[in-house]
Amino acid sequence: DIVMIQSPDSLAVSLGERATINCKSSESVLYSSNNKNYLAWYQQKPGQPPKLLIYWASTRESGVPDRFSGSGSGTDFTLTISSLQPEDVAVYYCQAYYSAPYTFGQGTKLEIK
Amino acid sequence: EVRLVESGGGLVKPGGSLRLSCAGSGFIFNDAWMSWVRQAPGKGLEWVGRIKSSADGGTADCAAPMKDRFIISRDDSKDTLYLEMNSLKTEDTAVYYCATVSAGRLAHWGRGTVVTVSS
Repeated sequence: DIVMIQSPDSLAVSLGERATINCKSSESVLYSSNNKNYLAWYQQKPGQPPKLLIYWASTRESGVPDRFSGSGSGTDFTLTISSLQPEDVAVYYCQAYYSAPYTFGQGTKLEIK
Repeated sequence: EVRLVESGGGLVKPGGSLRLSCAGSGFIFNDAWMSWVRQAPGKGLEWVGRIKSSADGGTADCAAPMKDRFIISRDDSKDTLYLEMNSLKTEDTAVYYCATVSAGRLAHWGRGTVVTVSS
């Protein structure tokens, strides 16, 4: 099974500043048959279910603000929030989803500095 | 609008059983692959398993820690997903979410149902 490791475990960033979260998979999630990275990012705010933000490593889900972006390929990925807003306080998870089990990273808690 | 509503959670003793349901609406349920994810108190997300659409074979897979105790099924005539949980352990205490699976990613989520395993 693929193991997903996120870094850091927690992060405090000032409002308006950039936040960067990393995710590393134990094996490549890039599949040569379609040249797609099977990597998603989710946001979970307190008391709420997770919400899909990014899929195919860099495609924003409909309605997600463009300050959120995803990058990376193969085994190393990054979620970037270009200008942190108060409503971005949450826990963020990466997930590999090519085949079962669809493993999640351990989560990164993002707070305001 | 896609809507998923989980039900069936509650307090159960260790060794007991419980069946969770997830009612879907706002999408063509019988075309959808579906998944269960759980979250223990104060912990991260843990993938429980998923079931393919009937057109894709309808097979279900569960994560290794649960595969001998949990069964995922669906009733497309009722637009409902199920999670049957047997031989429950205290470590199964969690919020259980259902979600739609779109090319593997979990696109839409319910609000979850709470399962507490305690004597």
